[in-house]
Formats: sequence, structure tokens, C-alpha cells
Amino acid sequence: KAGVTQTPRYLIKTRGQQVTLSCSPISGHRSVSWYQQTPGQGLQFLFEYFSETQRNKGNFPGRFSGRQFSNSRSEMNVSTLELGDSALYLCASSENAAQNEQFFGPGTRLTVL
Amino acid sequence: GQQLNQSPQSMFIQEGEDVSMNCTSSSIFNTWLWYKQDPGEGPVLLIALYKAGELTSNGRLTAQFGITRKDSFLNISASIPSDVGIYFCAGYILTGGGNKLTFGTGTQLKVEL
Repeated sequence: KAGVTQTPRYLIKTRGQQVTLSCSPISGHRSVSWYQQTPGQGLQFLFEYFSETQRNKGNFPGRFSGRQFSNSRSEMNVSTLELGDSALYLCASSENAAQNEQFFGPGTRLTVL
Repeated sequence: GQQLNQSPQSMFIQEGEDVSMNCTSSSIFNTWLWYKQDPGEGPVLLIALYKAGELTSNGRLTAQFGITRKDSFLNISASIPSDVGIYFCAGYILTGGGNKLTFGTGTQLKVEL
């Protein structure tokens, strides 16, 4: 099976812009979670989607949003970018929503100038 | 957000040595996952633990789920240069739902030839 794929791998934006990141889970996996990784805060949970519904949400402002499509692919959007949003955004997929193993993609490196 | 206390923060060892790292928390976890992350890549799942007291091996790696459900450790035997990277523990809090993983702060491993 192909692993989790994320596009794009690298992105440079300026403050105030918005960005959309994409994630394709492992075939057959219905749960997709998003994480933000920064040197200062480590890996922080953003949100999780299962069967097109958001099941969990982390402590991030409303500028961070996401959605999941019927084919389990997911996108996350960040609006009104701030310098502090520069990070590695990781997507992980899991077979179901029952606290199972999560498999990560390579991430999208977002730089906000 | 909540993070697991992971130690040591970094290790610099000689090739062939054994390595041990651990994670502790004030919360009870019902699943522990150990990941390795190389620079610029997403975390790769090494070992998953589901029961208190469980001891699981994956090649030279051995991990245990603490009896109290509040800790876990990872051992690497006979380290080799490719073991270099950052190791993360992660877990699902007992009262949590869905797939919201809480991550440790990471252990950076460096191996001297």
C-alpha cells in the first residue's frame, strides 16, 4: 500500500495570506489527523476527521480549519497567516477512530514571511 | 497543550552501545506509540503498545507499557549509525476519544562511530 502523501512539500507565504494543505491517507484508512510541529512547541494536535466529520479539535484559533472528503482525503486551511504559523504540518491516517496506530506523511513545510 | 515528559532530551553514544529512553505523565494512557523522525520527514511508527505491562520488540528495539499506565520506555540495543534521529513517545489519554495523540518532547539520539 502506498503511504500517506501530502502536498505540497514546501510552501512560502506572506503574512495575511491563506494557505490550503492536502493529505491523502493510506488506502482504506478513514481517520485523518493533522498536527503542527515547531521547535518550541513540539508536536501539537490540530484536529481529526473521520467519515467527513470533525471528531476532535486541538487548542488552535479558528483561523485553522479542515475538512474531509468522501474518499477520505483531507485538506487543512490556515487563513490570515501569521509569522508564528511557520511550521511543519503533518498529516496522519488511521484505520478507524478507536485510538489506533497512526501513520504519518512526510509533512508540508510552511514558511510565513 | 499537554505533553508527555520524555527523557533524556538528547543522547550522544558510541556505536554498539545500548540506549534507553522513557516517557512519563500525570495522566493515564491506554495506548503508547513510539516514533522515530529523521530531519525533514514525518515520524515513522516503531512500536505500538496496548496493554499495561506489555513488552514488545521490533528487531533491536524493545518497548514496555508501564504498569501504572502513566509511563513507557524504549530500549535500543547495539546502536548503529542509522539509529540517529529524534525519538518520540505518544499516547492516547484514557478518557480521551478519537485519535488525538499527545506527544512527548522527543529524545535526540546521536551515534558516534
